Amino acid sequence: EDQVTQSPEALRLQEGESSSLNCSYTVSGLRGLFWYRQDPGKGPEFLFTLYSAGEEKEKERLKATLTKKESFLHITAPKPEDSATYLCAVQAGSQGNLIFGKGTKLSVKP
Amino acid sequence: DAGVIQSPRHEVTEMGQEVTLRCKPISGHDYLFWYRQTMMRGLELLIYFNNNVPIDDSGMPEDRFSAKMPNASFSTLKIQPSEPRDSAVYFCASSFPEQSGYTFGSGTRLTVV
Repeated sequence: EDQVTQSPEALRLQEGESSSLNCSYTVSGLRGLFWYRQDPGKGPEFLFTLYSAGEEKEKERLKATLTKKESFLHITAPKPEDSATYLCAVQAGSQGNLIFGKGTKLSVKP
Repeated sequence: DAGVIQSPRHEVTEMGQEVTLRCKPISGHDYLFWYRQTMMRGLELLIYFNNNVPIDDSGMPEDRFSAKMPNASFSTLKIQPSEPRDSAVYFCASSFPEQSGYTFGSGTRLTVV
């Protein structure tokens, strides 16, 4: 069964304190791994898609990396506005849908 | 572009009543997805359509749930009769092509009392 596990469930950082979020997955035939950001009361907002091991993508203070078993979302020198829930999802096999992890809730204190 | 539009934003209903959630996808997107989000289970796929045709409805909890997409610009998710355990946030998303990353709507928060 395809599965996505995110850790930690919650992460509290001080402004400027860099860290990483983990997304481990077991799927049959990975087609893509997706990262989303979700703010309270809103729908998930697309950040990145990674397709193959070794691939990296960056956007402002965020950098996503992918291996054959997991993905990391690195946050460099975070700011309070980076506070949100970060969701990881995979698209596998012949399916068109995404399978989501439960997310990591990030809080960045000034 | 107005994005994916869902209505209503909030719905409070009594157990046993019929509930209809609505979604307007982004023009030109040929995939439409209905997800449900709860604290316990996270985001779960209910059903998805490609070119208005249902492709996978294996996530629909039971016969009380039904979804339609009569045309490329409109979809509905209906729950009849509703139960308290259906309380959740329901999201609609659309995409084209399918690997570009979905665009989600703002969701409908459903409370069944």
